[in-house]
Amino acid sequence: EVQLVESGGGLVQPGGSLRLSCAASGFTFSSYWMTWVRQAPGKGLEWVANINQDGNRKVYADSVKGRFTISRDNAKNSLYLQVNSLSVEDTAVFFCARFALRAHHMDVWGKGTTVTVSS
Amino acid sequence: QSALTQPASVSGSPGQSITISCTGTSSDVGAYNYVSWYQQHPGKAPKVIIYDVSERPSGVSNRFSGSKSGNTASLTISGLQAEDEADYYCCSHAGRDTYVFGSGTKVTVL
Repeated sequence: EVQLVESGGGLVQPGGSLRLSCAASGFTFSSYWMTWVRQAPGKGLEWVANINQDGNRKVYADSVKGRFTISRDNAKNSLYLQVNSLSVEDTAVFFCARFALRAHHMDVWGKGTTVTVSS
Repeated sequence: QSALTQPASVSGSPGQSITISCTGTSSDVGAYNYVSWYQQHPGKAPKVIIYDVSERPSGVSNRFSGSKSGNTASLTISGLQAEDEADYYCCSHAGRDTYVFGSGTKVTVL
């Protein structure tokens, strides 16, 4: 079964950091672009960052550029998002997702991990 | 990277058809035929229902259809059913491997 499972969310104070992880299984992880998408409470989806198959191409939304870092470890079938300098506006559910092969849509999603930024 | 514009809510009776619009710019929706639509039920992960403007993934009901004209994409749900009550988001490629989502539309089945 194709699956993505996020972890690493939690409660963090403003200015703090977290490292989110996404474990992939059931497919050849190293063949796919991957992405992080977040959703603030009661709000819409927001694209956060993309990474290509071998990790040498990374792109970010302007809202997180310079604070968030996307990475992957193909040997461990894992995607990561280092989130730094967090503010209350970063409180959200973070989803990892897979881009369909040679395509521009996300065809597999995890269930998300919640990041709460509060003092 | 401003969110694409969608109506906040759309409603319809069972069996009716509804259409959700998604308006962007000449840099995203208007520039690429890479608009996708996602359905999200409360507390669940999004699910792709349309990609590349009008293509339907295997297993998605043919009651869902997509189109695009200029800077505006549209999702039509025909034969509305109770299970279609959910939030819907469009998403467009915006160049240089970046993407932008729509503001989201809550569909209510009356």
